[in-house]
This record gives sequence, C-alpha cells and structure tokens, in this order.
Amino acid sequence: QAVLTQPSSLSASPGASASLTCTLSSGINVGPSMINWYQQKPGSPPQFLLRYKSDSDKQQGSGVPSRFSGSKDASANAGILLISGLQSEDEADYYCMIWHSSGYVFGTGTKVTVL
Amino acid sequence: QVTLRESGPALVKPTQTLTLTCTFSGFSLSTSGMCVNWIRQPPGKALEWLALIDWDDDKYYNTSLTTRLTISKDTSKSQVVLTMTNLDPLDTATYYCARTSGNYYFDYWGQGALVTVSS
Repeated sequence: QAVLTQPSSLSASPGASASLTCTLSSGINVGPSMINWYQQKPGSPPQFLLRYKSDSDKQQGSGVPSRFSGSKDASANAGILLISGLQSEDEADYYCMIWHSSGYVFGTGTKVTVL
Repeated sequence: QVTLRESGPALVKPTQTLTLTCTFSGFSLSTSGMCVNWIRQPPGKALEWLALIDWDDDKYYNTSLTTRLTISKDTSKSQVVLTMTNLDPLDTATYYCARTSGNYYFDYWGQGALVTVSS
C-alpha cells in the first residue's frame, strides 16, 4: 500500500519560510502525481490549500494566500509545500494526499509551530 | 451553499456494527463528477481515507478495510451511509464526510463525529 511520509514537526520564526516535504513510497513516481495539501487546526476539519502536479497544472484553494505554494523534488520523489512569510495563524497540522490505485492516501502529517 | 453533516452513535461496543450518516445540501449526488467520501482521524493521529461513492453509484474502499466497510447513498434524501462491522477500540476516531466534485480533492468537509469504541 502507498505510504506518504512527512516530517512529524517543523518549527520556524514569524516571517521565515517553511518547506514541508511529502515523500512518496517506492513504486509511486512523484512526477505524474497530483499532490494535494490540507491544513488542519485543532478542533476543525481539514481545509484544502492547494494541489500541484507541475507549474502548468496546479490549483490554489479558494481564498488561500499566494504565500502557500507547491512544488516537487523529483530526486527525492517528494512533493513540497512552501509557506513563505510565516504567520502565527499558520500554526497547524499539514497533510499531503494523493489519489493512487483507486483510493486516496494521506500523508503522516506535519505539525508546524510558529515560534 | 454546500454543507455536510455527520450523524451517528457517539459510543459503540467492541464487535458491534457502526452506522454513520452524512446528510448534505447544496449539491446533488446525481450530478456527474460528484462524490462523497468518508475519512477518519483517531485522536492525535493522521487522517485515513475510508471509502467513497460517486454519482454513478460506483464505490471504492480503503483496501485495508474493505471487508468491514459498506457505503451507500440515498440521493432523494441527500444522504450517504457508511457501515463498519466488527468494531475495535482502535476504530475510535472522528469520522468526517467530505465532497469531491470531479477534481480529486476534498473541497467541503463536515465538522466530524467522534465515535468511541469501548465496552
């Protein structure tokens, strides 16, 4: 079964940039994969942030600031969520997700702390 | 305005069957491309996709749970029902329903229903 591995936690200062990785298990190539990203704050359901396949095939969630962006690292077989200009309101859990073999697979999640 | 709401028992005993209902509004599950999904999240843990049903009544299940899950829809009532058999305390989680509308991402979510499995 597909596994999406994310670092369990990340801390950064306000105004800094944070790069969250989502590493796909062997056998799943990040190249053709659409990587979806969700933000979840305590006590609330996740919210769609964006999805990224390539610079020409991507979608920002409604109302999601442009300081959230997606990319890929093919050498690491990983999707990346970049948060620029971190704000205190960005403190949350972040999950990646893909559609694979007729089912959705979520990543293990990264807790972002804004110091 | 699209809304989804989960309902069901808050407490279930081990080995029993759980039935959850997702009642939605603002869209029709008979519209091409529309799907309703079930996702769960154990306390303090990651999200896990469980199942989906689409406008054409096609059903897809998490391969790890397929023998325990059944999803169905009642389009006239705007409801999707998930049943899970042989519950275990490890099934304790918040259960969410969420919509996808043809683009393979969850654009609307319910607030979730906490289900505790305990004797």
